[in-house]
Amino acid sequence: SQTIHQWPATLVQPVGSPLSLECTVEGTSNPNLYWYRQAAGRGLQLLFYSVGIGQISSEVPQNLSASRPQDRQFILSSKKLLLSDSGFYLCAWSGDFGAPTDTQYFGPGTRLTVL
Amino acid sequence: AQKVTQAQTEISVVEKEDVTLDCVYETRDTTYYLFWYKQPPSGELVFLIRRNSFDEQNEISGRYSWNFQKSTSSFNFTITASQVVDSAVYFCALSEATGANNLFFGTGTRLTVIP
Repeated sequence: SQTIHQWPATLVQPVGSPLSLECTVEGTSNPNLYWYRQAAGRGLQLLFYSVGIGQISSEVPQNLSASRPQDRQFILSSKKLLLSDSGFYLCAWSGDFGAPTDTQYFGPGTRLTVL
Repeated sequence: AQKVTQAQTEISVVEKEDVTLDCVYETRDTTYYLFWYKQPPSGELVFLIRRNSFDEQNEISGRYSWNFQKSTSSFNFTITASQVVDSAVYFCALSEATGANNLFFGTGTRLTVIP
């Protein structure tokens, strides 16, 4: 069965520091991968998605970036964090058949606090 | 444009009561998919159900049931005989057949079941 991992689970970082969040998926090949952010008390906002290694699409302009160095690894980064980057970051994957409507399954999330 | 509205921000019920969570959506596509996810206090989003726009049959899974009505663009979720473990934030989401499987989420409904 497929599983999705995220780390770290929680992170407290000062403003202006760099960020690296990691997401890995097991039990599937060539998944679509997604990064979402959930601000406190709000819904989820899609940040990035990837349909393959090195292929990244950005949905929202911001100081974050994403990379997919391996088939089942998705990384969210920032060179300099802002206070507004605080939130709950969720990684998700969907099937490797390219269907645009596959169900997305989410990881446990990373709670980021920028001070 | 796509939009998902969950007008109920918070609902409280006493254990064993039935509760319905409302979801209204907007889309220009004729083919689309609707989802419900549960977010317990741990934060992880748990997939509950997916329906496509051509299947308006209601679905029941244990104490959960879903009522999909295209005429009113609604996809409501009912929990029968609620339990304390049902306490969570519930998200309704929409995915269109065109595009890259982006999920558009509502802002969620926080359900509290009081013992």
